[in-house]
Amino acid sequence: EPEVTQTPSHQVTQMGQEVILRCVPISNHLYFYWYRQILGQKVEFLVSFYNNEISEKSEIFDDQFSVERPDGSNFTLKIRSTKLEDSAMYFCASSGGGLAQQDTQYFGPGTRLTVL
Amino acid sequence: AQSVTQLGSHVSVSEGALVLLRCNYSSSVPPYLFWYVQYPNQGLQLLLKYTTGATLVKGINGFEAEFKKSETSFHLTKPSAHMSDAAEYFCAVSYSGGYQKVTFGTGTKLQVIP
Repeated sequence: EPEVTQTPSHQVTQMGQEVILRCVPISNHLYFYWYRQILGQKVEFLVSFYNNEISEKSEIFDDQFSVERPDGSNFTLKIRSTKLEDSAMYFCASSGGGLAQQDTQYFGPGTRLTVL
Repeated sequence: AQSVTQLGSHVSVSEGALVLLRCNYSSSVPPYLFWYVQYPNQGLQLLLKYTTGATLVKGINGFEAEFKKSETSFHLTKPSAHMSDAAEYFCAVSYSGGYQKVTFGTGTKLQVIP
């Protein structure tokens, strides 16, 4: 069964450094998302992406964040200058494709980002 | 705006007992409703979903949920708990269409006591 994959599974970085989190969505999906989950808290929406542009973003998704689909398969989240409070699990998701899949977002296993 | 409220951050049941995890939603338009499960140190797995049609939906691992519009609820049940059901369960809502953002509840950790 097709699945969303994410790399790396765990990223440790120093405060102020740039990080790029990578995702490979399900191949025929058209909509892509990033969510995050701070330890012990609920999963929060960051951004959605369709047709090579951001379709919606939350107030969390400030100028430090950017997303890109650099080729036909990858979807990336960049944090330009990490802060301690960026430490969280980041989930990529995708949806779309056939009618049966348009109503559901499928999530990857997550990347745990630790900012020191 | 849409929101989800999950009653009970922790629920304990005995193995073999009924599992009932409560979820109430708020949505200004007909919602799409989901339950996701997260096992320790793993990602989010879709358990089941309601989009349109039959209000009782069945998912994986013997779970089911019933959409009750009059009560704005989407409670998750399983007749007989198994040790492997121990996990965190998230109720979630989106506007119609998988291309809309999903709003998650705060989660309920299910403990199964042998």
